Amino acid sequence: AQKVTQAQTEISVVEKEDVTLDCVYETRDTTYYLFWYKQPPSGELVFLIRRNSFDEQNEISGRYSWNFQKSTSSFNFTITASQVVDSAVYFCALSEGLGASGYALNFGKGTSLLVTP
Amino acid sequence: DTGVSQNPRHKITKRGQNVTFRCDPISEHNRLYWYRQTLGQGPEFLTYFQNEAQLEKSRLLSDRFSAERPKGSFSTLEIQRTEQGDSAMYLCASSPRDREYEQYFGPGTRLTVT
Repeated sequence: AQKVTQAQTEISVVEKEDVTLDCVYETRDTTYYLFWYKQPPSGELVFLIRRNSFDEQNEISGRYSWNFQKSTSSFNFTITASQVVDSAVYFCALSEGLGASGYALNFGKGTSLLVTP
Repeated sequence: DTGVSQNPRHKITKRGQNVTFRCDPISEHNRLYWYRQTLGQGPEFLTYFQNEAQLEKSRLLSDRFSAERPKGSFSTLEIQRTEQGDSAMYLCASSPRDREYEQYFGPGTRLTVT
């Protein structure tokens, strides 16, 4: 069975600190996709990144970076120089193939990040 | 591009009543998903449509739940005889034809059953 574990329930940092959100996953699929979503207080899930299982290159987008390590089944997310606007709940998700090219997302329980001035 | 829209945004109903939610996906996205999110949890998959065909249903989708996508565009999710345990955020997502593994979510409908 598939499983996504986000061990950190809540993290609190002061603005400009770097913060890493951990994600560990379990799957028997050889091909899969990993995602990070942001859910601000407004409630809408915002897509941040997708990573294929066969592409272990790390990725950087502005202050965001992602470290995918297949050997440890981890897909960690780092925010550099955090800002108050980064305060949100962050979800890691793993794709599960459905019939006819559909994918269900299995989400972790989320990590609530609070950035204070 | 307008995003996924959902109506209503909030719904309060009494136990035993029926409720219906609507989702309008991003234009030309042929795949549509419904998820449910309870407090402190991540979203959980409920059901999946490709065009107008409902191709997958989670065991979470009891007989009281029904979803439709009659013309392959908007979708509705109906809950009959609501129970307090149905209180949750109901999220809709859609995927484009060429990137079926990416899902874009709407703002959700928050249901409170009293």
